[in-house]
Amino acid sequence: GDSVTQMEGPVTLSEEACLTINCTYTATGYPSLFWYVQYPGEGLQLLLKATKADDKGSNKGFEATYRKETTSFHLEKGSVQVSDSAVYFCALIGGSQGNLIFGKGTKLSVKP
Amino acid sequence: ETGVTQSPTHLIKTRGQQVTLRCSSQSGHNTVSWYQQALGQGPQFIFQYYREEENGRGNFPPRFSGLQFPNYSSELNVNALELDDSALYLCASSFIENTEAFFGQGTRLTVV
Repeated sequence: GDSVTQMEGPVTLSEEACLTINCTYTATGYPSLFWYVQYPGEGLQLLLKATKADDKGSNKGFEATYRKETTSFHLEKGSVQVSDSAVYFCALIGGSQGNLIFGKGTKLSVKP
Repeated sequence: ETGVTQSPTHLIKTRGQQVTLRCSSQSGHNTVSWYQQALGQGPQFIFQYYREEENGRGNFPPRFSGLQFPNYSSELNVNALELDDSALYLCASSFIENTEAFFGQGTRLTVV
């Protein structure tokens, strides 16, 4: 069935460092892809999305490009801030139910 | 702010009891989905409702049931609670035509 695999955490970076969180997927067809962020004690917030191949989603300095050839949707940011500390989830719309399928999440900690 | 609200925010129940969690969808959204997020894991799809009918279900037993009301608010009911039901329960709303889902802050259920 459809699935999402993202890099294991936790990831610890210094402020202003570059971030990449890898995400690959397995799905039939070409699903819409998402990155969600979860701050401590909160629900999920949609960070960015891409609905077709070669689309680039971007928001708050984060970017991810839908790569059909490599079935990937890696999250990147050029300069992280302490306020970016959170858990990041890669997800797709898929399965027989058309529901969101999530990766296990990657915890990011940014130190001043 | 996403506009999806859940209640209560925290709940402690005893094994074998029943629980009802509530969700108010974002204005204009006609689809609601429920997810279970165990500690350190990604959210898992429980079921989805569209126009008061269940139209998708994940791998959860029948003791997990739900309702959607004419105003598109929703309930998640869990009977015969087990210790493994302890988790964060997330509600998400969306337009059926729009794959973007907006999440509430979740209800933290602890079963003792």
